[in-house]
Amino acid sequence: GAVVSQHPSWVICKSGTSVKIECRSLDFQATTMFWYRQFPKQSLMLMATSNEGSKATYEQGVEKDKFLINHASLTLSTLTVTSAHPEDSSFYICSRTGDDGYTFGSGTRLTVV
Amino acid sequence: GNSVTQMEGPVTLSEEAFLTINCTYTATGYPSLFWYVQYPGEGLQLLLKATKADDKGSNKGFEATYRKETTSFHLEKGSVQVSDSAVYFCALSRNNAGNMLTFGGGTRLMVKP
Repeated sequence: GAVVSQHPSWVICKSGTSVKIECRSLDFQATTMFWYRQFPKQSLMLMATSNEGSKATYEQGVEKDKFLINHASLTLSTLTVTSAHPEDSSFYICSRTGDDGYTFGSGTRLTVV
Repeated sequence: GNSVTQMEGPVTLSEEAFLTINCTYTATGYPSLFWYVQYPGEGLQLLLKATKADDKGSNKGFEATYRKETTSFHLEKGSVQVSDSAVYFCALSRNNAGNMLTFGGGTRLMVKP
């Protein structure tokens, strides 16, 4: 079946540091990938659309300088949370679309202490 | 714009009870409709989908029918199991692939033995 690998699954970092989350499409070349954020007991909110070879498209209210997205190849998109603060603690999930619809990564739980 | 509204949880049921989780949507055109399930600590998994009016999606005993006249896509299961305990998200997209998903707020289901 379709596979999107997201890494790491869990990360704890100190306030002020940066964290990189990787999302790999293992079986399908993905020109477009999506990054979502999910607060506890809430729904997923789209943060940005990652486009291979071009700049990401950010949703309103999402700081592009804080959440850096790179989609340098058809199989890898990365989200870097820069200068993380406790309020950035959340569950981040990537997804890609393909002929089989949407496939989601397993998510990354970020805790900033 | 597009929006999805689903019943708030948590929904607590006894094993073998009948489940309904309501979902209504607002969208232009003819969206595709989805139900995703999120088990604790995991990412989202596609449960079922329907791409046009009167289509019925089904999987693992769950069913949902695309009702254009009532703009609804209610999720049902005749007999729930403890293993069905999870958060369920209703979502729509304007195309089956290529466009982003709009999610409902999620409904937490707890099934007690």
